[in-house]
Amino acid sequence: EVQLVESGGGLVHFGGSLRLSCAASGLTFSAYWMTWVRQSPGGGLEWVANIHHDGNEKYYVDSVRGRFTISRDNAKNSLYLQMNSLSAEDTAVYYCARARRDPGDPSPNYIDSWGQGTLVTVSS
Amino acid sequence: EIVLTQSPDFQSVTPKEKVTITCRASQSIGSSLHWYQQKPDQSPKVLIKYASQSISGVPLRFSGSGSGTDFTLTINSLEAEDAATYYCHQSSSLPWTFGQGTKVEIK
Repeated sequence: EVQLVESGGGLVHFGGSLRLSCAASGLTFSAYWMTWVRQSPGGGLEWVANIHHDGNEKYYVDSVRGRFTISRDNAKNSLYLQMNSLSAEDTAVYYCARARRDPGDPSPNYIDSWGQGTLVTVSS
Repeated sequence: EIVLTQSPDFQSVTPKEKVTITCRASQSIGSSLHWYQQKPDQSPKVLIKYASQSISGVPLRFSGSGSGTDFTLTINSLEAEDAATYYCHQSSSLPWTFGQGTKVEIK
C-alpha cells in the first residue's frame, strides 16, 4: 500500500519560509512523477508543482514560480517543497501526491495516491 | 490556463437516486479529464481517469463520459457513503487545473 506522509507545516509570518517534506513508502519512489497540490481553507484544489522521476524536470503554477522549489531525494524516498516569501494566499493544506502516466504518455496525467496533507498558515 | 466549470455547485440527493455532475472546459482537452471524490476531513481519491476509464477498487456505480470540452460524472443509485465533494481535473496542458467542486449531500 502506498503511503505518503507530509510534515513541516505550521504557522509562519508573512514573508517567511517553510520547507515541507513527504516520506513515501510502499512504492518504487524513483519510478514516479510526484506532485504537490494545495487546498485553501474551505476552498478547492490547486495544483502547485510537478517533478520528474529523476528530479531534472520541474513545473510550477505561475503564482509560486520563483518562490517555491520542488525537489526530491530518491535515496531517501522523499519529496520536498521549499516555500519562500510566503503570503496569506499561500495558506492551505498541502498534499504530497503521486502523479501517474499510462504507458505511452510522455507526461503524468492523473493523481492516484495522496498524503493526508499538512497545514501551512501564513499570518500577517 | 484552462478553466474548468462544474455544475451544479451543490446537490441534495435521496439515496438510490442518480446523480449527474458536469464539467465544462474553456477549451478542448481531449480526454485528459479526471474525477476525484473528497469526503470531509479526508484527502481526495481518484474515481475516473481519462474521462471514462474506471479505477480498480472504485464502485461500478461511478462512471464518466465525454470528450473535448464537456464531461459528465454519473453516480448510479447513490449511497449514503457517497456524500462528498467531487472535483474534475484536467491534465491536457500546464498548469493543471481543477473544477471548483460539487458538493453532494444526502437527504
